[in-house]
Amino acid sequence: TQLLEQSPQFLSIQEGENLTVYCNSSSVFSSLQWYRQEPGEGPVLLVTVVTGGEVKKLKRLTFQFGDARKDSSLHITAAQPGDTGLYLCAGGHNDMRFGAGTRLTVKP
Amino acid sequence: KAGVTQTPRYLIKTRGQQVTLSCSPISGHRSVSWYQQTPGQGLQFLFEYFSETQRNKGNFPGRFSGRQFSNSRSEMNVSTLELGDSALYLCASSLGDRVADTQYFGPGTRLTVL
Repeated sequence: TQLLEQSPQFLSIQEGENLTVYCNSSSVFSSLQWYRQEPGEGPVLLVTVVTGGEVKKLKRLTFQFGDARKDSSLHITAAQPGDTGLYLCAGGHNDMRFGAGTRLTVKP
Repeated sequence: KAGVTQTPRYLIKTRGQQVTLSCSPISGHRSVSWYQQTPGQGLQFLFEYFSETQRNKGNFPGRFSGRQFSNSRSEMNVSTLELGDSALYLCASSLGDRVADTQYFGPGTRLTVL
């Protein structure tokens, strides 16, 4: 059983569309990270959120940490083919635990 | 600052052999964690080292072991390789002051066991 549940598992959209992916848990986290990973490479850190209710923006990406620090969402506006990749969330507990990821494909 | 480096990037081994992977963390980072990533299981935590001591361990058999040196560089060893050990092995470093510090990943070592 994953400590962090990510949804959807797969998402295929057209360039220009908006999307939201979710990361949910029954546990409270001291911090939560979002990563993007491309095939054959290591995950690259996108953002760390630490405060319940926190919203962070990174260009077209908006990250939100739930008020109770148990869940998070990633919203991408006007997706581009370069956004294609595996999006992973990770939560700090007794150690770092990762969700299974959302595999996003953006078609031109 | 240079990022996390891992060597080698690719390895091909046969069943029964052993392998050692190396990881150099970001300068100033004292914690190094190792993960196994496979298409079916996702990212699975192997172990974490902090100041040369294993601080956390995942649910992997004893064939998987690691160590950390005084300069924070880390090695991971897998003995008696099995076909199922084929995976991308990722190393991540963090400051380590807290167990749940943000981790920064290396590019990984792709291990193929034939």
